[in-house]
Order: sequence, then structure tokens, then C-alpha cells
Amino acid sequence: DAGVTQSPTHLIKTRGQHVTLRCSPISGHKSVSWYQQVLGQGPQFIFQYYEKEERGRGNFPDRFSARQFPNYSSELNVNALLLGDSALYLCASSLDRTGAYGYTFGSGTRLTVV
Amino acid sequence: SQQGEEDPQALSIQEGENATMNCSYKTSINNLQWYRQNSGRGLVHLILIRSNEREKHSGRLRVTLDTSKKSSSLLITASRAADTASYFCATASGYSSASKIIFGSGTRLSIRP
Repeated sequence: DAGVTQSPTHLIKTRGQHVTLRCSPISGHKSVSWYQQVLGQGPQFIFQYYEKEERGRGNFPDRFSARQFPNYSSELNVNALLLGDSALYLCASSLDRTGAYGYTFGSGTRLTVV
Repeated sequence: SQQGEEDPQALSIQEGENATMNCSYKTSINNLQWYRQNSGRGLVHLILIRSNEREKHSGRLRVTLDTSKKSSSLLITASRAADTASYFCATASGYSSASKIIFGSGTRLSIRP
């Protein structure tokens, strides 16, 4: 059984552009969460989606948006990229909305904004 | 904002020694989780301890939780070179609302051969 898969693994974008990151959860997992990890820091919560609805949002600007599809895969979109958006973006899936059984993380997408 | 804070920020020990990392948090929790991260890649879930548990073991890992002190510790026994990584504690709370885990800033563990 495949784990959480994220694509692409690396991405370089120019300031002002937009980017779409993709995540496929573990089969059977209905919850997908997105985290941003800046170098040298712990991951910061961006969004949680469960059953295709947004269930939580972290302290990020409206330039960040996401959605979840009927097959529970998810996209994270970032518009008007800033240099400060350069980070590792992590997707995590969990069995249910509560995360009571832990989270499984993908390997992440390394975004560099130049 | 960071909920958990790990201590120490960096730890270097000899292979074979035990490594202990501590985590303190601020608010009440439902569970606390420890993760390992190698070279800035994905996080690997190590162990989850619920708020009504005090100690948990998994292989060479031992986790304790003291909810009265809002702290947890991760002990890695008989360390190996492959244990070199960053270790994060993450707290989960609020099952009725959005489920998220809040990470600390991590402990960088280096194992010397």
C-alpha cells in the first residue's frame, strides 16, 4: 500500500507566480492536512480538509487556498508568491478528522521562490 | 505559533549512548506525538501517547507524559548512526473542532561514530 504521495518533489518559481502542489493520501484516509516548514523550524499548520470540506485553517494569508477531491486527494494553491513562501510543504493524511490515531506525512514538496 | 518547545535544541552523543529529548507545551492536549525528520524531508511518525497515558514503549523508544507539568520526554536507547535526525514533538487538541497538530521547533540529534 502506497504511503502519502506528494508532487512535485521540487519546484522553483518566480515572485508573483502561482503554484499548485498535490497530495494523495493513504488509501482509506479521508483527512488531508497541509503544513509549511521553513528551514530550521517546525512545521506550521495551513489547512485541514475532511470529506472534501475545509475543517481548519492556520494563520496564513488568503493567497493560500486548498481543496479536496472526491477521491480524497488534495491540492494546495499559493498565489502571488513571495520570497518568504520558500519552504518545504508537507501533506499529512489521517484516518479520521480527529487525528486520534496519528498522521502519516508525505516526503514534501520543496518550493523555492526566486 | 509553536505549542511545544523541545529541549535541547541540539544534542550530540556517542553511538551506543542514550539520547533524551524533552518537550514542554502550553495548553491541555488530547495526545502528544513524536516525529523524526531526516535531512529536511518528510516526517516519520514515531509514537503517540494519549493524555491518559503516562509511559509508552516502542522498540528502543520510550516516551513519558506528565500532564500536570505539561511535559513529555523521548528516550532513545543504544543510539545508532541512523538515529541522526531532527525530532519533533507535536500536540493534538480539540477533537470537536478542526483537528491539527502543533509542532515544536525540534531537537537536532547527531550520533558520533
